[in-house]
Amino acid sequence: KQEVTQIPAALSVPEGENLVLNCSFTDSAIYNLQWFRQDPGKGLTSLLLIQSSQREQTSGRLNASLDKSSGRSTLYIAASQPGDSATYLCAGDDKIIFGKGTRLHILP
Amino acid sequence: NAGVMQNPRHLVRRRGQEARLRCSPMKGHSHVYWYRQLPEEGLKFMVYLQKENIIDESGMPKERFSAEFPKEGPSILRIQQVVRGDSAAYFCASSLVGLGSRGPTDTQYFGPGTRLTVL
Repeated sequence: KQEVTQIPAALSVPEGENLVLNCSFTDSAIYNLQWFRQDPGKGLTSLLLIQSSQREQTSGRLNASLDKSSGRSTLYIAASQPGDSATYLCAGDDKIIFGKGTRLHILP
Repeated sequence: NAGVMQNPRHLVRRRGQEARLRCSPMKGHSHVYWYRQLPEEGLKFMVYLQKENIIDESGMPKERFSAEFPKEGPSILRIQQVVRGDSAAYFCASSLVGLGSRGPTDTQYFGPGTRLTVL
């Protein structure tokens, strides 16, 4: 049974720091993976989608990569800002299995 | 272009009542997904529908839950005889292209969710 683990579960860093969020799947046969952010009490906002033919995607200060051999993905956030504070979720596999997320808090 | 709309945003029901949650996908999207987020847990896939068809309902509880996406109108998630354990946030998402055999091939756009509270 596919399971998704996100590490760390929570993270607090000062504004301006670069940071990395991790996501791993027990079954490494992941072909497509999506990163989302969720603000408290709200729905999800899609950040990046890595499709089967890709290894990484970039959008502004965000970069996501996927290592298909290990079933691991990382989300890199450069020059973090207070507005980046949210819960970050990764999802993949044919059943769109979600991790429990990393709660990120950027300290002003 | 309006995003995914869900209503109501908050729904309170007493045990045994029925809950009907509505989802209007983004314009032009014919693929709809429902997810449930229980308190302190991650999102769980429930069902994937295309217009008038249920494509995958493997995440849906076998009893009391049903979903439809008619030719006209919003997608409906229906929960009969609600119990306290049904209290959760229910999210709908839509996409232009549907799920491939190896996962999402297109970005899913999420609605704001319906928070169901069962008293």
